[in-house]
Amino acid sequence: QAVLTQPSSLSASPGASASLTCTLRSGINVGAYRIYWYQQKPGSPPQYLLTYKSDSDRQQGSGVPSRFSGSKDASTNAGILLISGLQSDDEADYYCVINYSDAWVFGGGTKLTVL
Amino acid sequence: QVQLQESGPGLVKPSETLSLTCTVSGGSLSGYYWTWIRQPPGEGLDWIGYIHYTGNINYSPSLKSRVTISLDTSKNQFSLTLNSVTATDTALYYCARFDHCGGDCYSLVYWGQGTLVTVSS
Repeated sequence: QAVLTQPSSLSASPGASASLTCTLRSGINVGAYRIYWYQQKPGSPPQYLLTYKSDSDRQQGSGVPSRFSGSKDASTNAGILLISGLQSDDEADYYCVINYSDAWVFGGGTKLTVL
Repeated sequence: QVQLQESGPGLVKPSETLSLTCTVSGGSLSGYYWTWIRQPPGEGLDWIGYIHYTGNINYSPSLKSRVTISLDTSKNQFSLTLNSVTATDTALYYCARFDHCGGDCYSLVYWGQGTLVTVSS
Protein backbone atom coordinates (compact mmCIF):
# COMPACT_ATOMS: atom_id res chain seq x y z
CA GLN A 1 0.00 0.00 0.00
CA ALA A 2 1.35 3.41 -0.94
CA VAL A 3 2.43 5.84 1.77
CA LEU A 4 0.21 8.58 0.33
CA THR A 5 -2.99 7.98 -1.65
CA GLN A 6 -4.76 10.63 -3.67
CA PRO A 7 -7.88 10.22 -5.82
CA SER A 8 -6.78 10.16 -9.43
CA SER A 9 -9.33 12.74 -10.55
CA LEU A 10 -11.85 15.25 -9.27
CA SER A 11 -14.28 17.53 -11.08
CA ALA A 12 -15.90 20.68 -9.80
CA SER A 13 -17.70 23.70 -11.16
CA PRO A 14 -16.35 27.24 -11.45
CA GLY A 15 -17.04 29.20 -8.29
CA ALA A 16 -17.48 26.06 -6.21
CA SER A 17 -15.05 24.59 -3.71
CA ALA A 18 -12.92 21.51 -4.20
CA SER A 19 -11.52 19.37 -1.43
CA LEU A 20 -8.51 17.30 -2.48
CA THR A 21 -7.55 14.54 -0.11
CA CYS A 22 -4.23 12.89 0.64
CA THR A 23 -4.67 9.79 2.77
CA LEU A 24 -1.75 8.45 4.74
CA ARG A 25 -1.21 4.73 4.93
CA SER A 26 -2.61 3.02 7.98
CA GLY A 27 -0.10 3.22 10.79
CA ILE A 28 1.26 6.59 9.67
CA ASN A 29 -0.47 9.21 11.80
CA VAL A 30 -1.39 12.30 9.81
CA GLY A 31 -1.12 14.43 12.92
CA ALA A 32 2.61 13.93 13.08
CA TYR A 33 3.40 15.08 9.57
CA ARG A 34 3.71 18.32 7.71
CA ILE A 35 1.90 17.99 4.40
CA TYR A 36 3.06 19.97 1.40
CA TRP A 37 0.91 20.68 -1.63
CA TYR A 38 2.09 21.39 -5.17
CA GLN A 39 0.23 22.32 -8.33
CA GLN A 40 1.43 21.22 -11.75
CA LYS A 41 0.11 22.41 -15.07
CA PRO A 42 0.90 20.69 -18.37
CA GLY A 43 4.38 21.39 -19.65
CA SER A 44 5.52 23.09 -16.45
CA PRO A 45 7.32 22.02 -13.30
CA PRO A 46 5.30 21.80 -10.10
CA GLN A 47 4.66 24.96 -8.12
CA TYR A 48 4.65 25.09 -4.34
CA LEU A 49 1.28 26.05 -2.89
CA LEU A 50 1.40 25.61 0.86
CA THR A 51 2.22 23.39 3.77
CA TYR A 52 0.02 22.44 6.69
CA LYS A 53 0.89 20.72 9.95
CA SER A 54 -1.61 22.33 12.27
CA ASP A 55 -3.64 25.50 12.53
CA SER A 56 -0.69 27.11 14.28
CA ASP A 57 1.93 25.70 11.93
CA ARG A 58 1.12 26.41 8.34
CA GLN A 59 2.81 28.35 5.57
CA GLN A 60 1.40 29.76 2.37
CA GLY A 61 3.60 29.90 -0.68
CA SER A 62 4.61 33.32 -1.88
CA GLY A 63 1.89 34.78 -4.05
CA VAL A 64 -0.48 31.87 -3.50
CA PRO A 65 -4.07 33.13 -3.06
CA SER A 66 -5.76 32.60 0.28
CA ARG A 67 -8.49 30.59 -1.44
CA PHE A 68 -5.97 27.74 -1.32
CA SER A 69 -5.82 26.37 2.20
CA GLY A 70 -4.76 23.24 4.01
CA SER A 71 -6.22 21.17 6.79
CA LYS A 72 -6.30 17.64 8.17
CA ASP A 73 -9.01 15.11 8.96
CA ALA A 74 -7.85 12.86 11.73
CA SER A 75 -10.87 10.60 11.34
CA THR A 76 -9.78 9.59 7.85
CA ASN A 77 -6.04 10.09 8.46
CA ALA A 78 -5.90 12.53 5.57
CA GLY A 79 -4.48 15.87 4.64
CA ILE A 80 -6.78 18.16 2.69
CA LEU A 81 -6.20 20.91 0.17
CA LEU A 82 -9.26 23.11 -0.06
CA ILE A 83 -9.64 25.36 -3.07
CA SER A 84 -12.50 27.80 -2.82
CA GLY A 85 -13.95 29.97 -5.56
CA LEU A 86 -12.69 27.64 -8.26
CA GLN A 87 -11.40 29.24 -11.44
CA SER A 88 -10.65 27.68 -14.78
CA ASP A 89 -6.97 28.40 -14.14
CA ASP A 90 -7.06 26.01 -11.17
CA GLU A 91 -7.38 23.09 -13.56
CA ALA A 92 -4.16 21.17 -12.93
CA ASP A 93 -2.59 18.18 -11.23
CA TYR A 94 -2.14 18.47 -7.47
CA TYR A 95 0.41 16.52 -5.46
CA CYS A 96 0.77 16.07 -1.74
CA VAL A 97 4.17 15.36 -0.20
CA ILE A 98 5.50 14.36 3.19
CA ASN A 99 8.92 13.71 4.60
CA TYR A 100 8.65 10.13 5.81
CA SER A 101 11.65 8.56 7.50
CA ASP A 102 13.88 11.23 5.94
CA ALA A 103 12.62 10.39 2.46
CA TRP A 104 10.41 12.71 0.48
CA VAL A 105 7.29 10.86 -0.62
CA PHE A 106 4.87 12.13 -3.23
CA GLY A 107 1.25 11.13 -3.57
CA GLY A 108 0.14 9.90 -6.97
CA GLY A 109 -1.55 13.21 -7.76
CA THR A 110 -5.11 14.33 -8.38
CA LYS A 111 -6.17 15.76 -11.72
CA LEU A 112 -8.61 18.57 -10.99
CA THR A 113 -11.00 19.46 -13.78
CA VAL A 114 -12.97 22.68 -13.54
CA LEU A 115 -16.07 22.54 -15.72
CA GLN B 1 16.14 35.50 -9.35
CA VAL B 2 17.35 31.95 -8.86
CA GLN B 3 17.23 29.79 -11.95
CA LEU B 4 17.98 26.11 -12.38
CA GLN B 5 18.74 24.42 -15.68
CA GLU B 6 19.10 20.70 -16.27
CA SER B 7 21.40 19.40 -18.98
CA GLY B 8 22.55 16.04 -20.25
CA PRO B 9 21.93 13.38 -22.87
CA GLY B 10 18.34 12.85 -23.87
CA LEU B 11 18.90 9.23 -24.84
CA VAL B 12 20.64 6.55 -22.83
CA LYS B 13 21.01 2.88 -23.70
CA PRO B 14 19.73 0.19 -21.34
CA SER B 15 22.30 -0.95 -18.75
CA GLU B 16 24.30 2.25 -19.20
CA THR B 17 24.65 5.28 -16.92
CA LEU B 18 22.42 8.33 -16.95
CA SER B 19 24.27 11.54 -16.09
CA LEU B 20 22.63 14.93 -15.63
CA THR B 21 23.83 18.30 -14.40
CA CYS B 22 21.85 21.13 -12.85
CA THR B 23 23.36 24.59 -13.27
CA VAL B 24 22.27 27.17 -10.72
CA SER B 25 22.28 30.85 -11.60
CA GLY B 26 21.26 33.89 -9.60
CA GLY B 27 22.33 32.32 -6.33
CA SER B 28 24.89 30.15 -4.58
CA LEU B 29 24.74 26.47 -3.69
CA SER B 30 25.66 27.44 -0.14
CA GLY B 31 23.06 27.10 2.58
CA TYR B 32 20.60 24.95 0.71
CA TYR B 33 19.47 21.41 0.03
CA TRP B 34 19.42 20.54 -3.66
CA THR B 35 17.35 17.72 -5.05
CA TRP B 36 16.48 15.62 -8.08
CA ILE B 37 12.93 14.52 -8.84
CA ARG B 38 11.67 12.63 -11.85
CA GLN B 39 8.36 12.16 -13.59
CA PRO B 40 7.74 9.30 -16.02
CA PRO B 41 5.61 10.35 -18.99
CA GLY B 42 1.99 10.72 -17.93
CA GLU B 43 2.75 9.71 -14.36
CA GLY B 44 3.39 11.28 -10.99
CA LEU B 45 6.46 12.67 -9.27
CA ASP B 46 9.19 10.51 -7.79
CA TRP B 47 11.85 11.84 -5.43
CA ILE B 48 15.38 10.64 -6.25
CA GLY B 49 17.56 12.24 -3.59
CA TYR B 50 19.04 15.40 -2.15
CA ILE B 51 22.41 16.87 -1.29
CA HIS B 52 23.20 19.67 1.14
CA TYR B 53 25.96 22.14 0.38
CA THR B 54 27.85 20.67 3.35
CA GLY B 55 27.83 17.29 1.59
CA ASN B 56 25.02 15.65 3.55
CA ILE B 57 23.26 13.30 1.12
CA ASN B 58 20.12 11.19 1.20
CA TYR B 59 18.66 8.97 -1.50
CA SER B 60 15.33 7.35 -2.16
CA PRO B 61 15.43 3.83 -0.75
CA SER B 62 14.18 2.45 -4.07
CA LEU B 63 17.07 4.00 -6.01
CA LYS B 64 19.81 4.09 -3.40
CA SER B 65 21.84 1.25 -4.91
CA ARG B 66 22.08 2.96 -8.30
CA VAL B 67 22.17 6.71 -7.68
CA THR B 68 24.84 9.28 -6.86
CA ILE B 69 24.31 13.01 -6.35
CA SER B 70 27.26 15.36 -6.11
CA LEU B 71 28.10 19.07 -5.94
CA ASP B 72 30.58 21.19 -7.88
CA THR B 73 30.67 24.49 -6.03
CA SER B 74 33.28 25.93 -8.40
CA LYS B 75 30.79 25.65 -11.26
CA ASN B 76 27.69 26.24 -9.14
CA GLN B 77 26.33 22.91 -10.31
CA PHE B 78 25.09 19.66 -8.86
CA SER B 79 24.82 16.37 -10.67
CA LEU B 80 22.94 13.11 -10.84
CA THR B 81 24.21 9.75 -12.00
CA LEU B 82 21.97 6.72 -12.23
CA ASN B 83 23.56 3.39 -13.08
CA SER B 84 22.22 0.33 -14.88
CA VAL B 85 19.24 2.10 -16.37
CA THR B 86 16.22 0.36 -17.84
CA ALA B 87 13.18 1.58 -19.72
CA THR B 88 11.46 2.27 -16.40
CA ASP B 89 13.98 5.08 -15.82
CA THR B 90 12.58 6.97 -18.79
CA ALA B 91 11.30 10.21 -17.31
CA LEU B 92 11.40 13.97 -17.18
CA TYR B 93 14.13 14.75 -14.68
CA TYR B 94 13.83 17.90 -12.58
CA CYS B 95 16.35 19.58 -10.33
CA ALA B 96 15.06 21.81 -7.54
CA ARG B 97 16.05 23.70 -4.41
CA PHE B 98 14.63 23.21 -0.94
CA ASP B 99 13.90 26.51 0.76
CA HIS B 100 13.61 26.64 4.53
CA CYS B 101 10.15 27.89 5.44
CA GLY B 102 10.51 27.74 9.20
CA GLY B 103 11.06 24.97 11.76
CA ASP B 104 11.10 21.63 9.99
CA CYS B 105 9.52 23.10 6.88
CA TYR B 106 11.36 22.81 3.57
CA SER B 107 9.52 23.68 0.38
CA LEU B 108 10.51 23.27 -3.25
CA VAL B 109 10.12 26.79 -4.59
CA TYR B 110 12.69 26.82 -7.36
CA TRP B 111 12.61 24.15 -10.07
CA GLY B 112 14.29 23.64 -13.38
CA GLN B 113 12.12 23.14 -16.43
CA GLY B 114 13.05 19.49 -16.58
CA THR B 115 14.91 17.40 -19.12
CA LEU B 116 13.50 14.30 -20.76
CA VAL B 117 15.69 11.24 -20.65
CA THR B 118 14.67 8.24 -22.71
CA VAL B 119 16.20 4.85 -22.09
CA SER B 120 16.21 2.90 -25.31
CA SER B 121 18.58 0.98 -27.53
